[in-house]
Amino acid sequence: QSALTQPASVSGSPGQSIAFSCTGTSSDIGYKYVSWYQQYPGKVPKVIIYDVNNRPSGVSDRFSGSKSGNTASLTISGLQAEDEADYYCSSFTNSGTWVFGGGTKLTVL
Amino acid sequence: QVQLVESGGGVVQPGRSLRLSCGASGFTFSRYGMHWVRQAPGKGLDWVAIISHDGNKKYYTDSVRGRFTISRDTSKNTLFLQMDSLRAEDTAMYYCAGILRFSNFFDPWGQGTLVTVSS
Repeated sequence: QSALTQPASVSGSPGQSIAFSCTGTSSDIGYKYVSWYQQYPGKVPKVIIYDVNNRPSGVSDRFSGSKSGNTASLTISGLQAEDEADYYCSSFTNSGTWVFGGGTKLTVL
Repeated sequence: QVQLVESGGGVVQPGRSLRLSCGASGFTFSRYGMHWVRQAPGKGLDWVAIISHDGNKKYYTDSVRGRFTISRDTSKNTLFLQMDSLRAEDTAMYYCAGILRFSNFFDPWGQGTLVTVSS
């Protein structure tokens, strides 16, 4: 049950597009759906992408997701200061468990 | 409104036990698989356990299997986590979270309850 692999930190300037990767195996990301969560310091995580590329209502369309093989990606377009947060990917596994990535800290320069 | 409220956290010595509770309201509890997710101070999210919507299936992360037990009382809309043989590395904020049956993402989340294992 290894955590999914995410870069520890990513940074970008306002207005830029930025992408986060999340790498797993054929037993998790390659097996089933991926979801992404945004978490501000001291706050509860919030789902921003589910089933690879779907947004819950109320989530900005600047957020998008994709998947290729065992790697999922989250893209934020038109980066804004309010996007500065921690981002986690998650996947169901073929052993009935769930797994999160280690998280990526986004800094908006 | 949809709400999950955890309770039962606190400071406990290594080797001792603690029982967490999570009360649900505002949604049909029996339609949700329920999870415990923890987050150590300054660290990332760590999935702990799941109990299926009907309570028939339970799965655990390797590090807690045999020490933690997840359960639910659907009549009381409450989720539990019995934590035995606690270790320092179990120190974390413990969140309960739901996944609607046939969906694949965590929503809703509770506000969390802090467990500190220290002598």
